[in-house]
Amino acid sequence: GEDVEQSLFLSVREGDSSVINCTYTDSSSTYLYWYKQEPGAGLQLLTYIFSNMDMKQDQRLTVLLNKKDKHLSLRIADTQTGDSAIYFCAETGSGGYQKVTFGTGTKLQVIP
Amino acid sequence: NAGVTQTPKFQVLKTGQSMTLQCAQDMNHNSMYWYRQDPGMGLRLIYYSASEGTTDKGEVPNGYNVSRLNKREFSLRLESAAPSQTSVYFCASSVGRFNSNQPQHFGDGTRLSIL
Repeated sequence: GEDVEQSLFLSVREGDSSVINCTYTDSSSTYLYWYKQEPGAGLQLLTYIFSNMDMKQDQRLTVLLNKKDKHLSLRIADTQTGDSAIYFCAETGSGGYQKVTFGTGTKLQVIP
Repeated sequence: NAGVTQTPKFQVLKTGQSMTLQCAQDMNHNSMYWYRQDPGMGLRLIYYSASEGTTDKGEVPNGYNVSRLNKREFSLRLESAAPSQTSVYFCASSVGRFNSNQPQHFGDGTRLSIL
């Protein structure tokens, strides 16, 4: 079945850029998502990219997609302490009901 | 601006007790989902409902049942709770249209402890 993998932990200093990486196996993925989960809360959709795009920028967030290598990354510029959270990569296939497969999440720690 | 609402937020049960977790969405979404989140394991899909009137098993359905009461509501029932079901449970919904962008919208979760 489909699989989505992420590293479990990332630590950066405030003001630096963070890059969170994700790999997936489903070659029919049509949409790829990044979600953010703050402590005690549900997942909040941050951004998404359609599979025919290479890059999407949204303020401090940049998503890069390498479809050949099935690699997705989320770059957060000028990382702030409020960015500390768990970040989930997710993908969905095409056609009909679209099951979403989530990665295990990357915990981002921002050091002041 | 409610989105997806889950009740209760916290619950402690004894082994063998039963309970129903409630979920409602006000976005007119067709599809609804139940996940559990455990440390180091990400989100695992328990059951989903692609549209009103249908439900299907996900990755970890054993020990659970669901009811899609109407388009808005999707409940998860534990008939005989076990300590292995201690987890955080999330309900989500999505538009559910064919071949469309379908980000899932999540509730804030129910933290369930089984003693």
